[in-house]
Amino acid sequence: DQQVKQNSPSLSVQEGRISILNCDYTNSMFDYFLWYKKYPAEGPTFLISISSIKDKNEDGRFTVFLNKSAKHLSLHIVPSQPGDSAVYFCAASGSSGAGSYQLTFGKGTKLSVIP
Amino acid sequence: GAVVSQHPSWVICKSGTSVKIECRSLDFQATTMFWYRQFPKQSLMLMATSNEGSKATYEQGVEKDKFLINHASLTLSTLTVTSAHPEDSSFYICSASRDRETQYFGPGTRLLVL
Repeated sequence: DQQVKQNSPSLSVQEGRISILNCDYTNSMFDYFLWYKKYPAEGPTFLISISSIKDKNEDGRFTVFLNKSAKHLSLHIVPSQPGDSAVYFCAASGSSGAGSYQLTFGKGTKLSVIP
Repeated sequence: GAVVSQHPSWVICKSGTSVKIECRSLDFQATTMFWYRQFPKQSLMLMATSNEGSKATYEQGVEKDKFLINHASLTLSTLTVTSAHPEDSSFYICSASRDRETQYFGPGTRLLVL
């Protein structure tokens, strides 16, 4: 059973426009969410995170929104740049003692920003 | 930001041999290190969690006798794939964490077993 879902395997956006990547989760114990960016044959790079006590976190061109009641979060990139083209992973962790640092990843969304 | 290195970055080996992959946190002490495996076009799958000085906790379906993890210090963890077979060919990625906020990932190791 997939606890973190990224239902769009790919997304194409024109340069300068907004990219919106979506993520849904099913486990109510998750209370911390992260977005990672990954290029082929490289490790993921941390982008931005959000705690469940917030509904928005912004860092430069990246903003993450969290809707706890819907168990949904999204990553907004604006304006999108060609260098943003990569696979974006949504990850979640829950406060469960020794397991609280573990991340559960979605399958990723491949973002292509077209010049 | 924090830097995590992995060595080697890629390895080709014959079936039946063992391969050791090192993961180091270069500029911080990692309370916990994680090992992931990624198949082509698939998500990162957590294999095991290790804390310095204690036995690793393996995820369901991961053979602990095949994937040996040693977390010898706060800056080094090793994954040894024992008696490797072609189906073990994959991209292995480690991460290191000093708190629950963020995991810092290594660049990954591509393993090809012939």
